[in-house]
Amino acid sequence: EAGVAQSPRYKIIEKRQSVAFWCNPISGHATLYWYQQILGQGPKLLIQFQNNGVVDDSQLPKDRFSAERLKGVDSTLKIQPAKLEDSAVYLCASSLAPGQKGNEQFFGPGTRLTVL
Amino acid sequence: AQTVTQSQPEMSVQEAETVTLSCTYDTSESDYYLFWYKQPPSRQMILVIRQEAYKQQNATENRFSVNFQKAAKSFSLKISDSQLGDAAMYFCAYRQRGNQFYFGTGTSLTVIP
Repeated sequence: EAGVAQSPRYKIIEKRQSVAFWCNPISGHATLYWYQQILGQGPKLLIQFQNNGVVDDSQLPKDRFSAERLKGVDSTLKIQPAKLEDSAVYLCASSLAPGQKGNEQFFGPGTRLTVL
Repeated sequence: AQTVTQSQPEMSVQEAETVTLSCTYDTSESDYYLFWYKQPPSRQMILVIRQEAYKQQNATENRFSVNFQKAAKSFSLKISDSQLGDAAMYFCAYRQRGNQFYFGTGTSLTVIP
């Protein structure tokens, strides 16, 4: 079974530039998550999708961050314009739908973003 | 709001010895799941072990076991016979019914040869 795919793996941009990350979850996983992980910290949820609908985006800085999952499969996360403090690893994860007992999150390898 | 607390930012253990990582959480729910995830330096997060709150029996996966104390809202991870490959960041996570996950701040484990 293929895991969660993310691209690119690394990205270096200058502040005020734009950047986009892509995630392909495990086939059949209805729930998709985007996390921001700053070095030395735990993952912080940015947005959670259930199919193509948003479940939780309370911690997403909506003035600069946006995310979509139009067909309920792949997802993109965009930052426009980037700030220095956006330097982090962006993790995508997926899981089966709520109510399915015991389902854990499966994580992708992450995208390491450096903003100069 | 649910919170997950890992009070040990760093731990170390001698190879072949046993180490216990602590985790406490706060919730008003009775039905939930707890997880320990491992994140090696390559940064791919992988599941180590899971515990269902309605099960009283502590979960075990080979050298990894948990001590789940529901009343105390405590969920510690015990690693027996520690190996060099166990060196990583370990995150405790809580999942509530709506599939929302909450992570602790992590414990960095060093294994000393």
